[in-house]
Amino acid sequence: EPEVTQTPSHQVTQMGQEVILRCVPISNHLYFYWYRQILGQKVEFLVSFYNNEISEKSEIFDDQFSVERPDGSNFTLKIRSTKLEDSAMYFCASSYYGTAYEQYFGPGTRLTVT
Amino acid sequence: QQQVKQSPQSLIVQKGGISIINCAYENTAFDYFPWYQQFPGKGPALLIAIRPDVSEKKEGRFTISFNKSAKQFSLHIMDSQPGDSATYFCAASLAGNTPLVFGKGTRLSVIA
Repeated sequence: EPEVTQTPSHQVTQMGQEVILRCVPISNHLYFYWYRQILGQKVEFLVSFYNNEISEKSEIFDDQFSVERPDGSNFTLKIRSTKLEDSAMYFCASSYYGTAYEQYFGPGTRLTVT
Repeated sequence: QQQVKQSPQSLIVQKGGISIINCAYENTAFDYFPWYQQFPGKGPALLIAIRPDVSEKKEGRFTISFNKSAKQFSLHIMDSQPGDSATYFCAASLAGNTPLVFGKGTRLSVIA
């Protein structure tokens, strides 16, 4: 069964450093998303991406964040200058299009900012 | 307006019992209501979903009941098993491939 994959599974970085989180969405999906989940809290939407551009973003997704689809398979989230409060699980998700609304999530990257 | 309120926060059910988790929403434009199951350290896994044109959907032991007039929907897990112990999130989104708005989650423990 196709699945969303994410690397790395755990990333530790120092405050102020740049990190890139990587995702490989399900191959025939066209919509891609990043969500985050701070420990013990609900999952929150960051950004969605379609046709090589951002389709929606939340207020969390400020100028420190960027997304890119550098090739036909990868989808990345970059945080330019990490803050302590960026520590969270980051989930990538993908969905097909049209009436198939189902979003499938990857296993997540645990980001720890020290 | 964009919130989805979920209750209870935690739930303990005997093996073989029925687990019931409730969610309420305000935005009448929401058009898609999925439930996700999450085990510790894993990503949310889509369990079952419903659109507002039906009042109930059943898949195996899992049933969504949807009350459009009350703006509420619930997940029922029949014959609950210890393997069902996880955190369950309800969510909602507008029509199309739009962002999911999640509830705060319910930690379910099924005890033998």
